Amino acid sequence: QQQVKQSPQSLIVQKGGISIINCAYENTAFDYFPWYQQFPGKGPALLIAIRPDVSEKKEGRFTISFNKSAKQFSLHIMDSQPGDSATYFCAASRGGATNKLIFGTGTLLAVQP
Amino acid sequence: DTAVSQTPKYLVTQMGNDKSIKCEQNLGHDTMYWYKQDSKKFLKIMFSYNNKELIINETVPNRFSPKSPDKAHLNLHINSLELGDSAVYFCASSQDRSEQFFGPGTRLTVL
Repeated sequence: QQQVKQSPQSLIVQKGGISIINCAYENTAFDYFPWYQQFPGKGPALLIAIRPDVSEKKEGRFTISFNKSAKQFSLHIMDSQPGDSATYFCAASRGGATNKLIFGTGTLLAVQP
Repeated sequence: DTAVSQTPKYLVTQMGNDKSIKCEQNLGHDTMYWYKQDSKKFLKIMFSYNNKELIINETVPNRFSPKSPDKAHLNLHINSLELGDSAVYFCASSQDRSEQFFGPGTRLTVL
């Protein structure tokens, strides 16, 4: 079953615009929510992550907004650039020894110049 | 000074063959993982080892067998390859519950 639902599947944004990708989770035991960025032919790389004790985390142009009651979190990319064009994955994991990440289905972002 | 490396980068083989993918990390991490990314880019964990001990074993066919000779290496051996095994396989490593660092991937094509 898909425990982390991600939307949209693809997104086209103009340079300078705001890209927004949404994720929803089901398991309330999840306590770590990272976003990974993947360029073609490369492995995923951690972009930014949040834990549920805060509602927002910002790193440069990238912001995670977290809504614990709604079990949703989103990635906002401000001033989107062509170099941001990539596939973005949200993920979630819960406490315990395994550190098992459950990934969303991915969003292919294209930023047009 | 690559953090997580995998070999080979590409692997093309016939159905029924046996193949291995190797992974090495030089980050000093205790935990290593294997993920499978299918043609729709869906990423799913297969296995995880912590200090050479298997801690995650998802519902993966037993044709897939991971082996960790030491905590810096995690290899994946696949027996009797099938068409559906075609995918990109990623190795990753982490320390405790921190960031997982992914390797560059191995694209496996089964003909």
